[in-house]
Amino acid sequence: SQQGEEDPQALSIQEGENATMNCSYKTSINNLQWYRQNSGRGLVHLILIRSNEREKHSGRLRVTLDTSKKSSSLLITASRAADTASYFCATEGYSTLTFGKGTMLLVSP
Amino acid sequence: DVKVTQSSRYLVKRTGEKVFLECVQDMDHENMFWYRQDPGLGLRLIYFSYDVKMKEKGDIPEGYSVSREKKERFSLILESASTNQTSMYLCASTLDRAAYEQYFGPGTRLTVT
Repeated sequence: SQQGEEDPQALSIQEGENATMNCSYKTSINNLQWYRQNSGRGLVHLILIRSNEREKHSGRLRVTLDTSKKSSSLLITASRAADTASYFCATEGYSTLTFGKGTMLLVSP
Repeated sequence: DVKVTQSSRYLVKRTGEKVFLECVQDMDHENMFWYRQDPGLGLRLIYFSYDVKMKEKGDIPEGYSVSREKKERFSLILESASTNQTSMYLCASTLDRAAYEQYFGPGTRLTVT
């Protein structure tokens, strides 16, 4: 099954800075999703972008999708310590999702 | 709000024991999933179910079985636990096959000694 791959594996920034993480995937998709996971907890859905969309916003989140490059990026603006978490992209299969290995974001006060 | 609950947050079992991990969702979702999460490997799908008494193998079903007798409950069974099944186990659900957003439970950290 295809799998998204996030980059970088880990990212450390100061509060107030922007955080950008990227996801690459291998085959055509209908949509791509981003999830957040706080340490030792379940995943929480953040945003879904469809293959015919190039950019989507949700609060301080901005997601872009470039289907020609088979890549997506998640931008968190004006980051806060509470944004510290792992972030995963997910691509859909047959009624299932395939998750990448995640980017671990650390936001220091 | 959708709520997905898992029976235990932490579980310690011995090698060879039969282990049951329970997952319950309260929003009448059709699809339910079991994943395991390991450092460096991300989330991997073990089994999923799109209806009562239906089950489908995921990417790593070996050593596991599942049961879905009621729509809201999806159980993962380790027939004979082994140390390589020490992991974080996550349950998730979606409304139906056309729904994309998955709702996750808090996870069960299983240690097999």
